Amino acid sequence: DSGVTQTPKHLITATGQRVTLRCSPRSGDLSVYWYQQSLDQGLQFLIQYYNGEERAKGNILERFSAQQFPDLHSELNLSSLELGDSALYFCASSQGLAAINEQFFGPGTRLTVL
Amino acid sequence: GNSVTQMEGPVTLSEEAFLTINCTYTATGYPSLFWYVQYPGEGLQLLLKATKADDKGSNKGFEATYRKETTSFHLEKGSVQVSDSAVYFCALRNAGGTSYGKLTFGQGTILTVHP
Repeated sequence: DSGVTQTPKHLITATGQRVTLRCSPRSGDLSVYWYQQSLDQGLQFLIQYYNGEERAKGNILERFSAQQFPDLHSELNLSSLELGDSALYFCASSQGLAAINEQFFGPGTRLTVL
Repeated sequence: GNSVTQMEGPVTLSEEAFLTINCTYTATGYPSLFWYVQYPGEGLQLLLKATKADDKGSNKGFEATYRKETTSFHLEKGSVQVSDSAVYFCALRNAGGTSYGKLTFGQGTILTVHP
């Protein structure tokens, strides 16, 4: 158990819908990262937050957005869903921003868009 | 930009065989290098890491050496077990710039070990 929790574990929805994925980082970790794992794209970085502020952005679509709240949990919002958004979405957390800080991964949320 | 290339899988071995999974990278500066493992139905776990050239990371019998001259970080284990069956990801992270903290992953290598 990494200490990072993600809910829900599975999500099945239809095209055009909007969903919210939730992540609670390990106690004491200020930085949260979101990654997408799909069969065709592999594991890709989406976005990073540190202590409530966005710090880095990867290949995140405009239909996707995220935020980190004062209690440090984070939410990833996916809207106007398409079949290609079906993937495993991971959240990771680390203590700080330094490259040596290990990132601890949650178990993931599996999103299926029908 | 940064990129990581892993050997094509899947890899199938018998128990106690020697394992090598090749990983090469392209990056600016001096990245930190990682191997992550993903067991079926689980998230990624850090297996080992190396933060500078010639460092050797090791854990659970696995090891990898950061080779700057060949831009490689090959994963090795002398004697694999059935319980090592998983997907292995090579990754790098730069220390600075606008993408600091972000991990760049290889495509993953599926390892299956038979008794």
